[in-house]
Amino acid sequence: GEDVEQSLFLSVREGDSSVINCTYTDSSSTYLYWYKQEPGAGLQLLTYIFSNMDMKQDQRLTVLLNKKDKHLSLRIADTQTGDSAIYFCAETPYNFNKFYFGSGTKLNVKP
Amino acid sequence: NAGVTQTPKFRVLKTGQSMTLLCAQDMNHEYMYWYRQDPGMGLRLIHYSVGEGTTAKGEVPDGYNVSRLKKQNFLLGLESAAPSQTSVYFCASRRSSEPQHFGDGTRLSIL
Repeated sequence: GEDVEQSLFLSVREGDSSVINCTYTDSSSTYLYWYKQEPGAGLQLLTYIFSNMDMKQDQRLTVLLNKKDKHLSLRIADTQTGDSAIYFCAETPYNFNKFYFGSGTKLNVKP
Repeated sequence: NAGVTQTPKFRVLKTGQSMTLLCAQDMNHEYMYWYRQDPGMGLRLIHYSVGEGTTAKGEVPDGYNVSRLKKQNFLLGLESAAPSQTSVYFCASRRSSEPQHFGDGTRLSIL
């Protein structure tokens, strides 16, 4: 099946920017997503980008998509301790039947 | 506004017992999904449904059965539980061409 890969851990200081990276293999990906999971909770949709876009900004969040390199990133500006969570990258192909998730990146924000 | 509700939230089973996990959504979504989440492995798709009365296998379907008799409900069954099925189970639903909405998860331990 399709492969979505993320680094497992990222540690930043409060107030710095965080950049979480994701690579995928499916060239027919239509939408790419970022979800946030706090301890003991389900996945919360943060943002998503259509494959014909290069960038999407939503308040402190910036998503960059390099379709040629199949690379997706999530930048969180002015990272806060409340941003500490696991962040999942996901993609879905054109038929939307299945979503493929990365293993998640655990973001630790130090005060 | 309930969204996606999973029942139960926690359960402990003995090897060989059976049980059914219930997922209910009140958003009139066509698509519903069952995932399992294991440490370091992200989310893996067990089964999914593209509409009432239809189901399909995902990435890791063995040992599980599902039913979608009503549009709002998606049931996941374990006929004979095994320790390897100890996991956190997430249900998700979505409307066509939209992102998935997740429940809060069911934590299942099999002894």
